[in-house]
Parts: sequence; structure tokens; C-alpha cells
Amino acid sequence: DQQVKQNSPSLSVQEGRISILNCDYTNSMFDYFLWYKKYPAEGPTFLISISSIKDKNEDGRFTVFLNKSAKHLSLHIVPSQPGDSAVYFCAAKSSGNTPLVFGKGTRLSVIA
Amino acid sequence: DSGVTQTPKHLITATGQRVTLRCSPRSGDLSVYWYQQSLDQGLQFLIQYYNGEERAKGNILERFSAQQFPDLHSELNLSSLELGDSALYFCASSVGPAETQYFGPGTRLLVL
Repeated sequence: DQQVKQNSPSLSVQEGRISILNCDYTNSMFDYFLWYKKYPAEGPTFLISISSIKDKNEDGRFTVFLNKSAKHLSLHIVPSQPGDSAVYFCAAKSSGNTPLVFGKGTRLSVIA
Repeated sequence: DSGVTQTPKHLITATGQRVTLRCSPRSGDLSVYWYQQSLDQGLQFLIQYYNGEERAKGNILERFSAQQFPDLHSELNLSSLELGDSALYFCASSVGPAETQYFGPGTRLLVL
């Protein structure tokens, strides 16, 4: 049973436009959410996170939105750049020393 | 570069064999985590150590074991290898057990 779901395996966006990556979760105990970016042959790189006490967190071109009632979060990248092409993983955890639970990832392709 | 190092980068071995994967965490990080990523799967949490002690266990097979040494590096031992153990194995580290995790580049294991 997947607790973190990324229902779009892939997404293609034109350079300069907005990329929106979605993530749904089922465990209501999750209160901390992260996005990681992964290039081929490299490990996942931490991108941005959000705590359940907030509904938005922004860092440069990256913004994460959290809708707790819908158990949904999204990552917005504006403007998208070719270097953003990678696999993006959504991850969630509950408070304290609990493991991260990852989605299967969404492959983003930004076309010049 | 996350500061987490993993060796070797690639490993090819035969069924029934035993291998050891090594991870050095970022300077100052006390927590080490091991993950497995099989084809088309998200990262599956295997096990976590904090300052030398096992802290949490995930979907780790009995054929697999890990330890964290006094210098905080960690090793993941995989024995009686099967074809299905072929995967990417990632190590991550964090300052404390509930902090953001930073990933190493991974070890790609191929069991023939």
C-alpha cells in the first residue's frame, strides 16, 4: 500500500513555463514533506521542504504548496529551465525519528 | 556534492555471494540511513543508525545487515545474493534523527 503517490510518471514542459509536480499521501500522521531532485547516476538532492503548520514554502524558483485537507502537495517551478530536467521525488514523514516515505518519482523534461 | 560518499560506485557479483557497501556521512552528521531503489520503484527505507546504534528498521531482509562504526561511517552487508537484489543502494545522513537527509551518489549492484 503506497502511502505517498506521484501519479504522473512523467511531465514535459517548455522552457520558461511553469512546471507543476503533484504528490498525494494517505497517512494523516505525516507532518513534514520534502522534495528531492535526482539526476541520472547521482543521488537524490534535497530541494525544498514544508512543515504541516504551513501551506506554502518558497525558495527562489521553487514553491511547495500543501493542502492538508486534501492530503496533497505540489511543487511549482517557475520559470522552468532545461537544467531542471530530472526525476523529482516527493517524500513524507511523521514527527520524531521516523523514516522518510518516498513516492516513485516524476520525470520532468524541460524542452528548450 | 552532498558531502556523503559511497563506495564502490558499481558492483557486479554472482548469486549466492556476499558484498559490503560503504558509506561515509557528511562531517558532523550522526545519523545514517540506507535505502534501496529497484527498477521503477521509489526509494525503500532499509535501516537507520544514530551515533552507532540502530534506530529504525524498514523493509530490510534478514540476509541484509548493517552497522555504524565509532568514526560514524556505515557498512551495509548483503549476503546470499539473489537476482532480485540488483538495485541502487543509497546512503543518506543527517545531523540528527529527525533532520533533513542528504544522499550519497549510490552504489549500483548487479547480481548475475
